[in-house]
Amino acid sequence: DAGVTQSPTHLIKTRGQHVTLRCSPISGHKSVSWYQQVLGQGPQFIFQYYEKEERGRGNFPDRFSARQFPNYSSELNVNALLLGDSALYLCASSTFHDSGNTIYFGEGSWLTVV
Amino acid sequence: DAKTTQPPSMDCAEGRAANLPCNHSTISGNEYVYWYRQIHSQGPQYIIHGLKNNETNEMASLIITEDRKSSTLILPHATLRDTAVYYCIVRPTGANSKLTFGKGITLSVRP
Repeated sequence: DAGVTQSPTHLIKTRGQHVTLRCSPISGHKSVSWYQQVLGQGPQFIFQYYEKEERGRGNFPDRFSARQFPNYSSELNVNALLLGDSALYLCASSTFHDSGNTIYFGEGSWLTVV
Repeated sequence: DAKTTQPPSMDCAEGRAANLPCNHSTISGNEYVYWYRQIHSQGPQYIIHGLKNNETNEMASLIITEDRKSSTLILPHATLRDTAVYYCIVRPTGANSKLTFGKGITLSVRP
């Protein structure tokens, strides 16, 4: 079975631009979360979505937004890119949104802002 | 902030058991202990989790002390492919439960 899939795997953007990252959860999983991992640090929670509703948000500016579609796939959008947004963006999915369900990660999207 | 403390690094010989410690002295009774690992440039991989009892699966064993203030992840026969950053995470029970990662411990398996 396919795991969590993310696209694109690598991309380069210029400061001030906008980026959209996409995620398909494991089949049957209804909850999707997004994490940002900068070099040398552990992943940091950005958003959690369940049944198309935002269920949690980390300490990130409003330039970051996300949504979940009826098929449970998700997009992460970042506006007005800054150099500091360069990071590995990880999508994770679980069956439901509560702690009784293990969270599984994709391989991530590497974003470089120049 | 992460509720766990891990040493920054450790190493072990290939074929030997790797015992990775984690302190979580402020853990609450309804919080799970999760372990993930991340091999360079890849997404975190789930290993195991537990609440109170010791747990074992095909990858590893998790030993949680009786007072739940610390735990040990055991890789019984480490291989070179186990070289990775290992994250110990305390995860609250309930809805909308996220993972709060610390810096993890870098395990280096030597030939």
